[in-house]
This record gives sequence, C-alpha cells and structure tokens, in this order.
Amino acid sequence: GIQVEQSPPDLILQEGANSTLRCNFSDSVNNLQWFHQNPWGQLINLFYIPSGTKQNGRLSATTVATERYSLLYISSSQTTDSGVYFCAVGWGAGSYQLTFGKGTKLSVIP
Amino acid sequence: ETGVTQSPTHLIKTRGQQVTLRCSSQSGHNTVSWYQQALGQGPQFIFQYYREEENGRGNFPPRFSGLQFPNYSSELNVNALELDDSALYLCASSSGDRGWDEKLFFGSGTQLSVL
Repeated sequence: GIQVEQSPPDLILQEGANSTLRCNFSDSVNNLQWFHQNPWGQLINLFYIPSGTKQNGRLSATTVATERYSLLYISSSQTTDSGVYFCAVGWGAGSYQLTFGKGTKLSVIP
Repeated sequence: ETGVTQSPTHLIKTRGQQVTLRCSSQSGHNTVSWYQQALGQGPQFIFQYYREEENGRGNFPPRFSGLQFPNYSSELNVNALELDDSALYLCASSSGDRGWDEKLFFGSGTQLSVL
C-alpha cells in the first residue's frame, strides 16, 4: 500500500513564529487532505489539496503531485494551533479510503 | 462545527464482549467511513458505507462490521473484543456520489477501553 511520511514528528514553536510541515507519499494520489487534531481528539479538516496551492488565513498548503509531497505552512503561530497535524492521502478507484501519516505534533508556547 | 456526532464519547468493556458505536452524518452527506486511531498513531481505515452498502474495507477482521441506515446514520459493531481494540474510533462523513473531490468531516470520536 501507499506510504505516507510526515516530518518533523515533533515541533516546538514560540508564539508568533512560522513553521513548515512536510508530507511525502510513495505513489500517485487523487486525494490529499490536511487535518488538525486538537487536544480533545477532534479532527478538523484544514485543506483538500491533491495539487496546487491554497490559503486560509494564517494557514496555507502546497502539493506538488509530480514530486509526491505536500507542505503545510503556519504563519504567526498561536497557542491554539497546538495539536497534531495529519496528512492523509487517497488513491485508486471506488473508495474514499484515506491513508494517514503518523502526524506532526506541534506545541506552541507563549 | 462539523455536524458529525458520535455516541457514546467513552466506553469501557471487557475482553470478549461486544460493542456498538453510533454516528450521525453531517446533513446532506450520504457516505460514512469509520477509522480506528491507536494512541500516538494516525487513524486507520476500517470501512466505508455509501447509500447503505459497504464500499470499501481496510485490513480489519470480520468481527468488525457496520451498518448504514436510510437516514445515513451508521453503526460500527465489534464482536469478541480484544485488548488491542482499545482505541479512539472516528466516524467521518462526506457528500456527493463517488466523486474524488470530497473533503472528510470527522466526529469527535468514541474512546473505547477494553479491560
């Protein structure tokens, strides 16, 4: 099956700093989504981005499908950005199955 | 607010018992997927239902089964519980008809502990 690797596994930031999270995947995908899991376990969908670039406030994401990676940018980080960020990819036909990476745990300190 | 609701939020069972978890999809969504998330790991796909039929299944044994109802709500049933079944169980819904440009919206999950 497809492999999804996220880096770094852990990240500690001072409030106000910027960061870049990376997701590499081993095969062609037709679905790529970024999620934020808050400390209470809720998974929030940040972006659906199988290719191209999108921005939503302080967050933006870029996927280069031909090179099999995606980047999530967080600017001017806030303590509420803390949690685990997951990249998830889908491939093949007939199913919405997503394969998740192991996540990047982000801690933003005041 | 995603609109996907799960119940119960927490559950404690003993090995060998059976459990049923419930999920109400976001309004207008006809596809529901279930994921298992072990501590410190990313969610793993269990199965998906589209218009009341199973549409895909991950690497989980048959004792994991599901149902989707005409109102698109769903149940996950696990028989003969094992200690390794302890995890957060997440339900996700999506809209559309087998399209690929579908965002998944997750509920808050059910934390299952098997003793």
